[in-house]
Amino acid sequence: DTAVSQTPKYLVTQMGNDKSIKCEQNLGHDTMYWYKQDSKKFLKIMFSYNNKELIINETVPNRFSPKSPDKAHLNLHINSLELGDSAVYFCASSQRRGYNEQFFGPGTRLTVL
Amino acid sequence: AQKVTQAQTEISVVEKEDVTLDCVYETRDTTYYLFWYKQPPSGELVFLIRRNSFDEQNEISGRYSWNFQKSTSSFNFTITASQVVDSAVYFCALSGAGSYQLTFGKGTKLSVIP
Repeated sequence: DTAVSQTPKYLVTQMGNDKSIKCEQNLGHDTMYWYKQDSKKFLKIMFSYNNKELIINETVPNRFSPKSPDKAHLNLHINSLELGDSAVYFCASSQRRGYNEQFFGPGTRLTVL
Repeated sequence: AQKVTQAQTEISVVEKEDVTLDCVYETRDTTYYLFWYKQPPSGELVFLIRRNSFDEQNEISGRYSWNFQKSTSSFNFTITASQVVDSAVYFCALSGAGSYQLTFGKGTKLSVIP
């Protein structure tokens, strides 16, 4: 029944490690997104994919690399993790751009030690 | 550039009081969409409403109502007879027509005290 799912829910890791967060949506949506929510709750878009094609890359360090194997999945791989990467990462999807509301996954809380 | 301002960082009300959350936006688009999302303490983001720029009718859904005024670029959210379960962070957001980007305000944390 879950519309947008993310794994893992919590991720605790050491600085310098590489980690991935997976996202899947079963809504048949064309567009998927990654957002970062910082400790002050500010939500900022990182990436947007439409039908597996990267549309937005909002000045995100190239240590972050999204991968979309098909339009139902959008994974986020992070290399050489830094303390400042600690945040909650949300995946979202929408039927199409602009008009449609975005449905969010439950979030992945990443803690870099 | 698009911008959403939620000037109220935190609001506390006593249960059963009415409360209004303010949202002011800036955009150069003539067609755009406005949204409200709720983030309860459990952390998920829950969609509440979408409004398009051509529809200035106010919307009511149970205890929730929304007032959209293009003249003042505002899209305010009122909760009537607030309940403890309304305690959450509420985000206003904006998207241009054809845009892939949803621009969020910084959120207003609402605490409803029993």
